[in-house]
Amino acid sequence: GDSVTQMEGPVTLSEEAFLTINCTYTATGYPSLFWYVQYPGEGLQLLLKATKADDKGSNKGFEATYRKETTSFHLEKGSVQVSDSAVYFCALNGDDKIIFGKGTRLHILP
Amino acid sequence: NAGVTQTPKFRILKIGQSMTLQCAQDMNHNYMYWYRQDPGMGLKLIYYSVGAGITDKGEVPNGYNVSRSTTEDFPLRLELAAPSQTSVYFCASSRPVAGGRTDTQYFGPGTRLTVL
Repeated sequence: GDSVTQMEGPVTLSEEAFLTINCTYTATGYPSLFWYVQYPGEGLQLLLKATKADDKGSNKGFEATYRKETTSFHLEKGSVQVSDSAVYFCALNGDDKIIFGKGTRLHILP
Repeated sequence: NAGVTQTPKFRILKIGQSMTLQCAQDMNHNYMYWYRQDPGMGLKLIYYSVGAGITDKGEVPNGYNVSRSTTEDFPLRLELAAPSQTSVYFCASSRPVAGGRTDTQYFGPGTRLTVL
C-alpha cells in the first residue's frame, strides 16, 4: 500500500542555518505530495504541495520538488528562523485518504 | 468561511462517561476525517466519511462511533471513556479529485480530551 517515510527528529538548528527534512514515498499511480506544519498547540495546516512530477511547491521560504525518479519530496529552507520551530509532516493523497509520515520536530535556537 | 470548527476545545471525562465531539465545516467538502494525536506522536485515523450517510473505519476505531447525516457535520462519539483515549482529537475535511484521490485536507483546531 501507499506509504510515506520521513527523517526522524528532533532536528535542532541555529537561526539562519540551512534546513533539509528528507521524505520518500511509495505509491501506485500519480499521487499529489504535501508538507503540513503543526505549530505548538495548533492543528495541522498545509505548508506546500506539488501535484505532478518535477513540480516545485513553495511557501514562506520553504521549497520541495516532486522527484518521481527518486520517489522523494524533501523539504528545504535556506535560512530558518526561531518561528519555524514546529512539527513537519510529509504526506501523499491515497484512495479517499491522506497518508501522513510520522512527523519531524524542528527546534530552532536563537 | 470559518473552515473546520470543533467543540469543545478542552474536556475532562471520568472513566466510563460518554461524550460527543462536534465537528463542522462550511466548505461543502464531501470528505471528512477524525484523527487522534497522542503526545509527541503522529496522527492516527479513527474514522472517515466520503459523503453523507457513508462512514468507514480507520486504523484505530475501537471505542468510537461516528455518523454523517449532513455534508457539514461529522460528530465523533466516545462510549465508556478509558484513560487510553486521553489524546488530542482533530477533525479534517477535503474534496475529492480525479482518480478517486482526495485534495488538500483542512484541519480544525483540535479537542484536548483527558480521561481520569
